[in-house]
Amino acid sequence: EAQVTQNPRYLITVTGKKLTVTCSQNMNHEYMSWYRQDPGLGLRQIYYSMNVEVTDKGDVPEGYKVSRKEKRNFPLILESPSPNQTSLYFCASSPRTGAHGELFFGEGSRLTVL
Amino acid sequence: SQQGEEDPQALSIQEGENATMNCSYKTSINNLQWYRQNSGRGLVHLILIRSNEREKHSGRLRVTLDTSKKSSSLLITASRAADTASYFCATPPSNTGKLIFGQGTTLQVKP
Repeated sequence: EAQVTQNPRYLITVTGKKLTVTCSQNMNHEYMSWYRQDPGLGLRQIYYSMNVEVTDKGDVPEGYKVSRKEKRNFPLILESPSPNQTSLYFCASSPRTGAHGELFFGEGSRLTVL
Repeated sequence: SQQGEEDPQALSIQEGENATMNCSYKTSINNLQWYRQNSGRGLVHLILIRSNEREKHSGRLRVTLDTSKKSSSLLITASRAADTASYFCATPPSNTGKLIFGQGTTLQVKP
């Protein structure tokens, strides 16, 4: 089944404890992206990647890192999480280069930073 | 930056009625996309309309695009309770790899 898989789906952590949210897609998509969703703010793009070893900042990249060493994986790293990073995170991928095709979304990762 | 803004923020209708949601954006685009999100779930792509298209249909969905006004509308005809969800427009500003979402319209369809 074609899908985007995120892990963990739910996580409660404490300020400063490094964490990684994994994202994997099995559709051989070139484009991958991370979003966070907050009430009243909609979805905001954190980082995106147009291909392996190519990553770019979205609108809210501060406090996050990403890497794209393999086509299928695009992990989101929070080196020192803070409470303002409490949010619902979505990974997405697209078969088109750039953002010109439909995005396929994962089911989301709900992160709470205490 | 807020590229797309939906209007209204919330909409409540009876089953069988039509629902219309609007989206405005700021910069030039190659296409505009509409997505649906059931509560707390991942977004699902509904339809993509290219900048050289004015109208597109998919089942009960009808999307229009007016590039001169930088606006789009999504019409859901003969709505069903299962259409209850949030709907988002998304635009990729030209010459970027970004895809920017609006804040969404929450649609409630009452049985």
